[in-house]
Amino acid sequence: EVQLVESGGDLVQPGGSLRLSCGVSGFPFSRHWMSWARRTPGKGLEWVAKINEDGAEKYYVDSVEGRFTISRDNAKDSLYLQMNSLRAEDTAMYYCVRDHEYALDYWGQGTLVTVSS
Amino acid sequence: DIVMTQTPRSLPVTLGQPASISCRSSRSLVHTDGNTYLSWLQQRPGQPPRLLVSKISNRLSGVPDRFSGSGAGTDFTLKISRVEAEDVGIYYCLHGSHSYTFGQGTKLEI
Repeated sequence: EVQLVESGGDLVQPGGSLRLSCGVSGFPFSRHWMSWARRTPGKGLEWVAKINEDGAEKYYVDSVEGRFTISRDNAKDSLYLQMNSLRAEDTAMYYCVRDHEYALDYWGQGTLVTVSS
Repeated sequence: DIVMTQTPRSLPVTLGQPASISCRSSRSLVHTDGNTYLSWLQQRPGQPPRLLVSKISNRLSGVPDRFSGSGAGTDFTLKISRVEAEDVGIYYCLHGSHSYTFGQGTKLEI
């Protein structure tokens, strides 16, 4: 059974930092691109970042470029999202997602990030 | 950047009746490899999104056959042949390439 379990969400002040983690099981993690996506109350679903199988290629949505960093540890079957300079508009449920043929086919339950003073 | 526009944004339906959601892209989604990477997802209340259909019309394993996807180029449709109570939620179209772009979502309600 495919499982993706996110952790690390929290309440953080504007300008602060947070690191999200995602543990994966049930499929060969090192053979798949992976993404982070988020759902905000006002904007619906938004893709945030993706990373290729060995971590050499990374892509970001414009709004997080330069502030967020996606990474992975294939030895630990884990995906990460380092979030710096957080803003109120980054408040969202963040999902770890498996990429497959340019679709997002398996999603975790999500971890909640709230940016507020 | 590609913009994905879904209509309607809200879709009141009657149980047992059909429903249809439209998704239009700002430019053709045909990839250089000949495929069109347009998919549909469902998000039920309190649940993570679930992939229903990939590459326009490929229904995922376990997805009821009352769901069907169609379209080409810039215009795509998700149809539910007979709406059931468990279909309540928000539906999103999604274009995939080096980045991903979601439609704004369509809230299906009974």
